[in-house]
Amino acid sequence: RKEVEQDPGPFNVPEGATVAFNCTYSNSASQSFFWYRQDCRKEPKLLMSVYSSGNEDGRFTAQLNRASQYISLLIRDSKLSDSATYLCVVNPNYGQNFVFGPGTRLSVLP
Amino acid sequence: EPEVTQTPSHQVTQMGQEVILRCVPISNHLYFYWYRQILGQKVEFLVSFYNNEISEKSEIFDDQFSVERPDGSNFTLKIRSTKLEDSAMYFCASIGSSYEQYFGPGTRLTVT
Repeated sequence: RKEVEQDPGPFNVPEGATVAFNCTYSNSASQSFFWYRQDCRKEPKLLMSVYSSGNEDGRFTAQLNRASQYISLLIRDSKLSDSATYLCVVNPNYGQNFVFGPGTRLSVLP
Repeated sequence: EPEVTQTPSHQVTQMGQEVILRCVPISNHLYFYWYRQILGQKVEFLVSFYNNEISEKSEIFDDQFSVERPDGSNFTLKIRSTKLEDSAMYFCASIGSSYEQYFGPGTRLTVT
């Protein structure tokens, strides 16, 4: 089983749509969870950390279910500028290597 | 806002040559990382570095690779005897006390 798996995508959605990304991880001892976005040929940029209680940042909501080893990201009212690849990232423990999922590509269409 | 910087942005080298990729992590960060991303593939961990020594490395990080922090600010990745399959984006990253990892803009390595 791969360490971090994501929806294969791509997702093509119209502007204003709500889109949800799913991610599962295999290491039940993982401590920290993140969503990054990556634009074509650019570096990954931290979008948000994911906390057990769930967290929201404007149009973005992240959820963590430790029992199911599942992480989600919801984007509401999607904008053209949200078009990117969304990476689910898991860190077993502080200082240990961060494990990246393969990413899910999102295209928001006018 | 502090950021991770990397040089060069693009490096072209011939097969068999040695390359050194340079990074300046965020100054008060503690752990430093190198990742690579082959075009169209996922980001892959290479090595992490803490307190002037390797903390963890992947199976990709074989004897061809080495890392160094020569002067307290720069963090380098050396690739000896480059192969065609080393062509990729190489990202440096660092974390401070917040567990959040910040990436440099990457070096695109092209081996011909």
